Amino acid sequence: AQSVTQPDIHITVSEGASLELRCNYSYGATPYLFWYVQSPGQGLQLLLKYFSGDTLVQGIKGFEAEFKRSQSSFNLRKPSVHWSDAAEYFCAVGAPGTYKYIFGTGTRLKVLA
Amino acid sequence: NAGVMQNPRHLVRRRGQEARLRCSPMKGHSHVYWYRQLPEEGLKFMVYLQKENIIDESGMPKERFSAEFPKEGPSILRIQQVVRGDSAAYFCASSPREDGEQYFGPGTRLTVT
Repeated sequence: AQSVTQPDIHITVSEGASLELRCNYSYGATPYLFWYVQSPGQGLQLLLKYFSGDTLVQGIKGFEAEFKRSQSSFNLRKPSVHWSDAAEYFCAVGAPGTYKYIFGTGTRLKVLA
Repeated sequence: NAGVMQNPRHLVRRRGQEARLRCSPMKGHSHVYWYRQLPEEGLKFMVYLQKENIIDESGMPKERFSAEFPKEGPSILRIQQVVRGDSAAYFCASSPREDGEQYFGPGTRLTVT
């Protein structure tokens, strides 16, 4: 069965510091992988996605993620965090060709000024 | 191109009442998905609909919950005889095709008192 684990429930970083949010998945083959961001009271916005090809994926707002098959991971990174990045981040997995996404429980990011 | 619209954004119902949540997909999207987000949890798939058809309702509770996506008008998620455990955020997503990228609406936050 597919599953997604986001080991960090809360992360606090200082503005300008680098950021890495972890995501590990369980799936028999290479899944579709996604990172979404949810600001308070808002819906989910897609940051980036991986379907196939280059394992380093560039997204919006300066985010990137790297798919590592050997580690079953799809970690999200940003070199320099801005205060407006404070939000909750969800990693999601989908079987190729299907529509059911499995979401992780989220990582809440706090940014210190 | 307007995004996915959901209304109401906030809904308060007393136990035993009915809740009706609406979702208008993005223009050109004929695939609609409903997800539920309980406090401190990730989103959980509930149901997948195309126009006038329920394709997959495997994530929907067997009783009290129903969904429709009529030929004209928005998709409706209906919860009859609400209970406190139904309090959650309900998100709708739409896609131009079954295995396409899903775009999420802002959600409806249901509170049952």
